[in-house]
Amino acid sequence: EIILTQSPATLSLSPGERATLSCRASQSVSRYLAWYQQKPGQAPSLLIYDASNRATGIPARFSGSGSGTDFTLTINSLEPEDFAVYYCQQRHNWPPITFGQGTRLEI
Amino acid sequence: QVQLVQSGVEVKKPGASVKVSCKASGYIFTDFGITWVRQAPGQGLEWLGWISAYNGHTISAQKFQGRVTMTTDTSTRTAYMDLGRLRSDDTAVYYCARAPPYDSSGYGQDNWFDPWGQGTLVTVSS
Repeated sequence: EIILTQSPATLSLSPGERATLSCRASQSVSRYLAWYQQKPGQAPSLLIYDASNRATGIPARFSGSGSGTDFTLTINSLEPEDFAVYYCQQRHNWPPITFGQGTRLEI
Repeated sequence: QVQLVQSGVEVKKPGASVKVSCKASGYIFTDFGITWVRQAPGQGLEWLGWISAYNGHTISAQKFQGRVTMTTDTSTRTAYMDLGRLRSDDTAVYYCARAPPYDSSGYGQDNWFDPWGQGTLVTVSS
């Protein structure tokens, strides 16, 4: 089973700042990695797929990078609606499909 | 637009079974699969399994094998997840999400979990 480790667990920033979230895989997942955003009381929604591609309708301030075992989600110039929990997910070697434990981005 | 609408809140006793439905609209149902993910209160996301609406092939997480049954009804564009022998630690919000139709899909947005249903709260309590 591929374990995804996200860091930090919580990130405290202010609107307008840049957020950098990390996801590390226990073995290579190539570029089979996605990022999801989950706001309180809502289902997760796809942000980034294939490590670096923005999903339809996602603003350009969101970007993803990395391949193999180390991945980064960057959010430039944070907007108030960006404060949420972010999960990474891999589907390179499945089953099982696995998620990271999440990073809470808080004001 | 592409949408998945799930069934409502369930309250079950330990040892019982629960069946959650997920009705799809806005796309060709048999061109994709459906995956099931759960989230215990205050916790992260846990994958239960996947079913191809194209050919009915299923893959479940080892942890749930023997307890989870996933099916689809292509005539009503609905997927179902049945979880048996419920325990208190099965209390969670259960989500369905559109997924790729094959277990060996490559790159592309359609091969990820998008969109998700609104979630179904399942509470297991005596």
